[in-house]
Amino acid sequence: SAVISQKPSRDICQRGTSLTIQCQVDSQVTMMFWYRQQPGQSLTLIATANQGSEATYESGFVIDKFPISRPNLTFSTLTVSNMSPEDSSIYLCSVDRGRLTDTQYFGPGTRLTVL
Amino acid sequence: DQQVKQNSPSLSVQEGRISILNCDYTNSMFDYFLWYKKYPAEGPTFLISISSIKDKNEDGRFTVFLNKSAKHLSLHIVPSQPGDSAVYFCAASLEGAQKLVFGQGTRLTINP
Repeated sequence: SAVISQKPSRDICQRGTSLTIQCQVDSQVTMMFWYRQQPGQSLTLIATANQGSEATYESGFVIDKFPISRPNLTFSTLTVSNMSPEDSSIYLCSVDRGRLTDTQYFGPGTRLTVL
Repeated sequence: DQQVKQNSPSLSVQEGRISILNCDYTNSMFDYFLWYKKYPAEGPTFLISISSIKDKNEDGRFTVFLNKSAKHLSLHIVPSQPGDSAVYFCAASLEGAQKLVFGQGTRLTINP
């Protein structure tokens, strides 16, 4: 497995502002992923972040709203821009160790509430 | 289009008995399946997985069964313990896609 930390663990933000969430892994990984879990819903993939290239976004998610950085093999950030109450969710990063399976390991999540 | 479905939002089981959580999928190209457990205020924790070339995988108290013809998988926990009370998510992936599609989750409650 991998040890993954996220900052902040939770935040309450005002409508129209932006929040950057950090994800740190204890070892180098090729693939990092960002998910959203809206209240009572499943986990939905926002984007895949590879080091040295642009993030790949899933249908329904755009870079202007969720810009992602991946400056090295142990760190990534997700920004939630121009927030609205609909962005209130748990945001999770995960990593794939790049071995023979697609098993992903998740961070503890960031609980975001937008007022 | 919900490609992975967990039709039971909740399940209650007595301590010591078997818990069976079910998951159905629609995409026959999925070739790897996983179960995660999630406690409140924590991220999902990987439990067990199975490749599409197998029909059973066992790890301690946890066993996952895969029925490809029915596009169905299940997680068996025996014996169930109070610490097993959590939300369980099944997930699936396509070979080479390196991304997971999750079901809606089933909240398992183990009663003493």
